[in-house]
Amino acid sequence: GEDVEQSLFLSVREGDSSVINCTYTDSSSTYLYWYKQEPGAGLQLLTYIFSNMDMKQDQRLTVLLNKKDKHLSLRIADTQTGDSAIYFCAGGNQFYFGTGTSLTVIP
Amino acid sequence: DADVTQTPRNRITKTGKRIMLECSQTKGHDRMYWYRQDPGLGLRLIYYSFDVKDINKGEISDGYSVSRQAQAKFSLSLESAIPNQTALYFCATSDLTVGQANTGELFFGEGSRLTVL
Repeated sequence: GEDVEQSLFLSVREGDSSVINCTYTDSSSTYLYWYKQEPGAGLQLLTYIFSNMDMKQDQRLTVLLNKKDKHLSLRIADTQTGDSAIYFCAGGNQFYFGTGTSLTVIP
Repeated sequence: DADVTQTPRNRITKTGKRIMLECSQTKGHDRMYWYRQDPGLGLRLIYYSFDVKDINKGEISDGYSVSRQAQAKFSLSLESAIPNQTALYFCATSDLTVGQANTGELFFGEGSRLTVL
């Protein structure tokens, strides 16, 4: 199956930028996704990028896609305490998710 | 009411018991999925169904079975539960066709926490 890898933990100070990285092996995806899981809840789609794009910006979120290196990143500008959650990347068929990155925002 | 509802939300059982986790959805989606979440391992796909007559194994189907009783219902069974099946289980749905007008977004239930003693 596909490998989707993320670092497990990230800690940033409130107001700083957060960058969460993901590497994947399956390059056939139409879309690549970022999901957010808040404590005690299911996952919700945060943002996505079409596979023929290199970058997508959505308010404080910037998604970068490097298809050559099979690398996806999520940048959160001006990180807030409410951004503390687990963030998962997923490939197009969403059969394979990354391990999730637990983001902790320090006030 | 939630679009994707899982029952029970929490369950403690003993080794060897049969357990069923149920999922129902009001989104009218054809595709339904069962995942389990373990710390440090992320989400792993157990089974998925693209319509009522379609059932497919995912990455970790051993020890599990599913039933798609209707478009809106997809249940997961553990015939003889074992402790390493202790996990948080999620049901999800998605629309059939991925394309310009539909990103294929998954809609998740709130999860069913299962503990096998």
